[in-house]
Amino acid sequence: DAGVTQSPTHLIKTRGQQVTLRCSPKSGHDTVSWYQQALGQGPQFIFQYYEEEERQRGNFPDRFSGHQFPNYSSELNVNALLLGDSALYLCASSFTGGGDTGELFFGEGSRLTVL
Amino acid sequence: GQNIDQPTEMTATEGAIVQINCTYQTSGFNGLFWYQQHAGEAPTFLSYNVLDGLEEKGRFSSFLSRSKGYSYLLLKELQMKDSASYLCAVRVSPPSRMDSNYQLIWGAGTKLIIKP
Repeated sequence: DAGVTQSPTHLIKTRGQQVTLRCSPKSGHDTVSWYQQALGQGPQFIFQYYEEEERQRGNFPDRFSGHQFPNYSSELNVNALLLGDSALYLCASSFTGGGDTGELFFGEGSRLTVL
Repeated sequence: GQNIDQPTEMTATEGAIVQINCTYQTSGFNGLFWYQQHAGEAPTFLSYNVLDGLEEKGRFSSFLSRSKGYSYLLLKELQMKDSASYLCAVRVSPPSRMDSNYQLIWGAGTKLIIKP
């Protein structure tokens, strides 16, 4: 049973560029959440996708956008990259349904470096 | 606003016991999670509390007091591999009744250093 998979694992971009990160959720999961984690900090919630719609959003600018596909996989897009966007981007999947604790399963993350 | 506080760093000795505290001020509390995160790796689930009291799982236990907005993670018989960051996260209700999805509010994590 495959867990959460993310790609790419590492990437380097320059300021002003755009990046797309990808995530496949754990089998049986239908909800994908994206987090940004700076070094030494806890994860910061970016947004959550369920039924191909953005359901909730954290305090991130519109430069951060996403998408969820019918197979529940998801993409995170960041436009006009800034140096401060350098971080580990974590994708977490869960199952939205009655009786579940909503435990999150995380992928290994995509480490983005903006130069 | 929503706020979660944890100590930044703690040090303990191999074989000993350590308690990591977490206090929170959130709206619409719907459970508290503890995750472990080794450096450079993804967080992994440790425990979940939604009712007051102690949940024990092997060497790890987690306690919750909803009236005090307080939780702790207790690690017994510490091993070197327990050196990691421990993240406290509170699940809060969605902003709208139309939304069935919850959101997790995360603390900054407590870095636990185990010494021989």
